[in-house]
Amino acid sequence: DAMVIQNPRYQVTQFGKPVTLSCSQTLNHNVMYWYQQKSSQAPKLLFHYYDKDFNNEADTPDNFQSRRPNTSFCFLDIRSPGLGDAAMYLCATSRGGVAEQFFGPGTRLTVL
Amino acid sequence: SQQGEEDPQALSIQEGENATMNCSYKTSINNLQWYRQNSGRGLVHLILIRSNEREKHSGRLRVTLDTSKKSSSLLITASRAADTASYFCATISADGLTFGKGTHLIIQP
Repeated sequence: DAMVIQNPRYQVTQFGKPVTLSCSQTLNHNVMYWYQQKSSQAPKLLFHYYDKDFNNEADTPDNFQSRRPNTSFCFLDIRSPGLGDAAMYLCATSRGGVAEQFFGPGTRLTVL
Repeated sequence: SQQGEEDPQALSIQEGENATMNCSYKTSINNLQWYRQNSGRGLVHLILIRSNEREKHSGRLRVTLDTSKKSSSLLITASRAADTASYFCATISADGLTFGKGTHLIIQP
């Protein structure tokens, strides 16, 4: 089945130690998104790729970076995780920017 | 940026009853979408309603959109225990997609 896959499902890192979360999709969608979701809050869009074009949200900290080496894969890099970066990170894809989004199961990040 | 606001924030009903959740937003939209999220999981798309549509159905779901009031409602009929989840509205506008804060729905058996 076509799907959005996130690895790992659970990630533990130390304060200040760089971490990379990965997302892959078999839907061949041209748009990929990264969201941060903290407990009992709405998902917050960090950035998205429309094809190869990177679109950063204005309030996304510089500590968060992303790479999309090809259509299928997208990575979220957190250069120096702080305690406040502990959250669920959700990857999503869509065909075009106004269509429904398909979400992966998320990666729960813990920062020690 | 605009944000949808759902109400109520939490809703607890008996199995078999209908559940209604509302969403309000601030600016013009292209479409409005509803998503469900089970605890600790990713979001699942439920239904999309375009700005020129007023009502849409999908199984036990009924969504309405009133662009003059900038509001939408999601009705789940004949609720089941498996409907227990958080429900988010999301608006698509020139600013992109923005999620509301969500309604946490609990279906009591």
